[in-house]
Amino acid sequence: QQQVKQSPQSLIVQKGGISIINCAYENTAFDYFPWYQQFPGKGPALLIAIRPDVSEKKEGRFTISFNKSAKQFSLHIMDSQPGDSATYFCAASMQTGGSYIPTFGRGTSLIVHP
Amino acid sequence: DTGVSQNPRHKITKRGQNVTFRCDPISEHNRLYWYRQTLGQGPEFLTYFQNEAQLEKSRLLSDRFSAERPKGSFSTLEIQRTEQGDSAMYLCASSLRGPGQGTSNEQFFGPGTRLTVL
Repeated sequence: QQQVKQSPQSLIVQKGGISIINCAYENTAFDYFPWYQQFPGKGPALLIAIRPDVSEKKEGRFTISFNKSAKQFSLHIMDSQPGDSATYFCAASMQTGGSYIPTFGRGTSLIVHP
Repeated sequence: DTGVSQNPRHKITKRGQNVTFRCDPISEHNRLYWYRQTLGQGPEFLTYFQNEAQLEKSRLLSDRFSAERPKGSFSTLEIQRTEQGDSAMYLCASSLRGPGQGTSNEQFFGPGTRLTVL
């Protein structure tokens, strides 16, 4: 059972454009929603995260929009750059055994053309 | 480099053999996590330690898998009697929880060990 559904699987945008990646979750017990960026040969790195008590969080060119009632959240990358080309994973977490363990989506491969 | 390190980076083995991977977390990080990532998928949680105590194990962690963190520093993940389905990237992550801090601390991932079972 896929608890976190992510789309699209791949995304191609032009430099300067907006990249949008969407995720949906089922379990209402999730209460922490991080996004990770992964470059080839590297482990995932935390990009930005949000809690469900806010509807939007912005850090630089990266914005998370969160819709609690729809159980959906999305990542917007403004002014996309070739250096943003990577795989992006959304995740949903709940406290388990004293820590937050993320359940990841399947990932979106983003290519930004110069 | 003071990040999470994993060794080896690549491992090729024959079906039925045992393999062991090592993870060195960021120093002073008291939490350590193991994940498995297959091609085209996100990482899947396997297990997690706080200091030397193994606090959580996923149902994905079959009895052929065992993880240890004997002194609360580095950790090892052993797979016995490997199967072709074990072929994956094995990721380690660490995080720090200190007094008064919440539990949603950032996890820092290592580069992973890629296992290929022939």
